[in-house]
Amino acid sequence: DAKTTQPPSMDCAEGRAANLPCNHSTISGNEYVYWYRQIHSQGPQYIIHGLKNNETNEMASLIITEDRKSSTLILPHATLRDTAVYYCIVVGSAGNTGKLIFGQGTTLQVKP
Amino acid sequence: GAVVSQHPSRVICKSGTSVKIECRSLDFQATTMFWYRQFPKKSLMLMATSNEGSKATYEQGVEKDKFLINHASLTLSTLTVTSAHPEDSSFYICSATGTRVPDTQYFGPGTRLTVL
Repeated sequence: DAKTTQPPSMDCAEGRAANLPCNHSTISGNEYVYWYRQIHSQGPQYIIHGLKNNETNEMASLIITEDRKSSTLILPHATLRDTAVYYCIVVGSAGNTGKLIFGQGTTLQVKP
Repeated sequence: GAVVSQHPSRVICKSGTSVKIECRSLDFQATTMFWYRQFPKKSLMLMATSNEGSKATYEQGVEKDKFLINHASLTLSTLTVTSAHPEDSSFYICSATGTRVPDTQYFGPGTRLTVL
């Protein structure tokens, strides 16, 4: 599976949009981009995933560049409860076990 | 969304004893379950992949005789840490996924193991 690169930390003001970038320049055509987050001392929480189209759900939006080499997770109105470590992970498709390889992620600190 | 539970949430045991951790998918059938370990201030590390009715596949460096995994049903997997030692103290997290590939992994809340 392709490796991802994320900034180690980011700050965001409460109520503002949080934009978390991820680079995955070696992604293959059949690999998906998944985002999870982990709030301190809890199991990771699924946020969103996509293949090539932009995706939106009740939690966030995922913007994937046309060449698929990078993506951005957008939390439209960050709250203090969004403070967490955010992981961008590339996962292979058919024939793959779907293993998730966690990097160091981005620690997002939402400030009042 | 899919719900995964773990039991116990926290366990303290003496060195040399064995500890069993349960992972259950509550509202879906999990053909595959994964076990991770996380040390303080570190990222999650995959320990093993378990498919229902099959032997688990362990990641390199993980001792299969020490970390026994059983996935006997489509809703339950167990991890037994045998002859636990203080260095096994960690946060153990399971995840479960259904039949689509890739399918979304849903994680349990984790189990904090402390070995004295």
